Amino acid sequence: QSALTQPASVSGSPGQTITITCSGTNSDVGNYNYVSWYQQDPGKAPKLMIYYVTKRPSGVSNRFSGSKSGNTASLTISGLQADDEADYYCSSYTTSDRWVFGGGTKLTVL
Amino acid sequence: QVQLVQSAAEVKKPGASVKVSCKSSGYTFTNYHMHWVRQAPGQGLEWMGIINPDNGGTRFAQRFRGRVTMTRDTSTSTDYMELHSLTSDDTAIYYCARDKSGNWCVDYWGQGSLVTVSS
Repeated sequence: QSALTQPASVSGSPGQTITITCSGTNSDVGNYNYVSWYQQDPGKAPKLMIYYVTKRPSGVSNRFSGSKSGNTASLTISGLQADDEADYYCSSYTTSDRWVFGGGTKLTVL
Repeated sequence: QVQLVQSAAEVKKPGASVKVSCKSSGYTFTNYHMHWVRQAPGQGLEWMGIINPDNGGTRFAQRFRGRVTMTRDTSTSTDYMELHSLTSDDTAIYYCARDKSGNWCVDYWGQGSLVTVSS
């Protein structure tokens, strides 16, 4: 199972809106709504930000939102803040009854 | 509160095996599947497999099949991941991670266990 495709890096200024994409296939992202997003600060374990494409866990800011169109899922962060700077990973369930991550995107807040 | 506490860092020689433990507390152990995910230095997250703590059933990522074993001890609420035939490419932080009730996502992570493979 190949990793999902994410841009290596994304940047934005405070207050702006950015979107991170996650491209898969009709064997994973395109076929299931089990798409989730994680935020990882250096030296820390990842943190769940979005699950089931659009759902936000309790405690996660509503500035974070998820969506999906075809084989591509997206994470949008509005009102960008300095502490949003981190690595972000998408993941998806797959037709082979497995789980796969994206390669990760480094978000830089300028 | 939910806690996943993993075993300490280990240094292994190439060809050896390593067994990482993950002790759960704060929830009913048999109600939640457990994933194992690793992260090599400076690299991304890589899913290794999942175990059903109720019946011990497992599924592994293709690249680890035949080289990884996942078990659990319900009496101590502890999961184990054992990786065999280690190479330097297996140097990584290994995480146990609780599945969020069949949603194929993780709501709680262990603190990670660093495994270093070096001769």
